[in-house]
Amino acid sequence: GIQVEQSPPDLILQEGANSTLRCNFSDSVNNLQWFHQNPWGQLINLFYIPSGTKQNGRLSATTVATERYSLLYISSSQTTDSGVYFCAVERGSQGNLIFGKGTKLSVKP
Amino acid sequence: KAGVTQTPRYLIKTRGQQVTLSCSPISGHRSVSWYQQTPGQGLQFLFEYFSETQRNKGNFPGRFSGRQFSNSRSEMNVSTLELGDSALYLCASRTGTALGELFFGEGSRLTVL
Repeated sequence: GIQVEQSPPDLILQEGANSTLRCNFSDSVNNLQWFHQNPWGQLINLFYIPSGTKQNGRLSATTVATERYSLLYISSSQTTDSGVYFCAVERGSQGNLIFGKGTKLSVKP
Repeated sequence: KAGVTQTPRYLIKTRGQQVTLSCSPISGHRSVSWYQQTPGQGLQFLFEYFSETQRNKGNFPGRFSGRQFSNSRSEMNVSTLELGDSALYLCASRTGTALGELFFGEGSRLTVL
C-alpha cells in the first residue's frame, strides 16, 4: 500500500517564526488533505490539495503530484498553531485516507 | 450547516463488553467512513459506507462492524472489547458521488478497563 512520510516529526518554534512541513507519498494519489488536530482530538481541515498551490491566511500548501510530495507553510506562527499536523492521501474514492504519523508543532511565546 | 456529529463523546467500558458509536454526517453527504486513532498505530481506516452499503474495509478483526441507515447516519460496533481497543474513533463524511475532501467529527474516545 501507499506509504506516507511526514517530516519533521517534531518542531519547536518561537512565536512569529515561519515553518515548512513536508509530506512524501510513495504512489500516485487522487486526494491529499492537510489537517490540524486540536487538543480535543478533532481533525480540522486545512487544505484539500491533490495538486497545485493554495493559500488561506498565514497558511499555504503546495502539492507536486508528479514528484509525490506536498508542503505546508506556516508563516508568522502563533501559539494557537500548536498541535499535530497530519497529511493524508487517498488513491481511490472510497474514504480510505492513509495518514502520515504527523508533525507535532509547539509554538513558544 | 451542521458538521459531522459523533456520540457519545466519551465512554468507559470493561473488557468483554460491546460498544456502539454513532455518526451523523453533514447534510447531503452520503459517504461515511470510520477511523481509529491510537498512540501506537496512529490513524487507521476501519470502513466506509455509501448508500447503506459497505464499499471498503480496513484491516481490522470481525469484532469491528458497522452499518449505515437510509438517512446516511452510521453506527459502528465493537464486540468483545479488548484493552487494545481503547482509542479515539473518528467518523468522516463527504458527498460520496465524486472525489472531494472528507470532513471529520470530534470523535468518540473509548476507554476499555
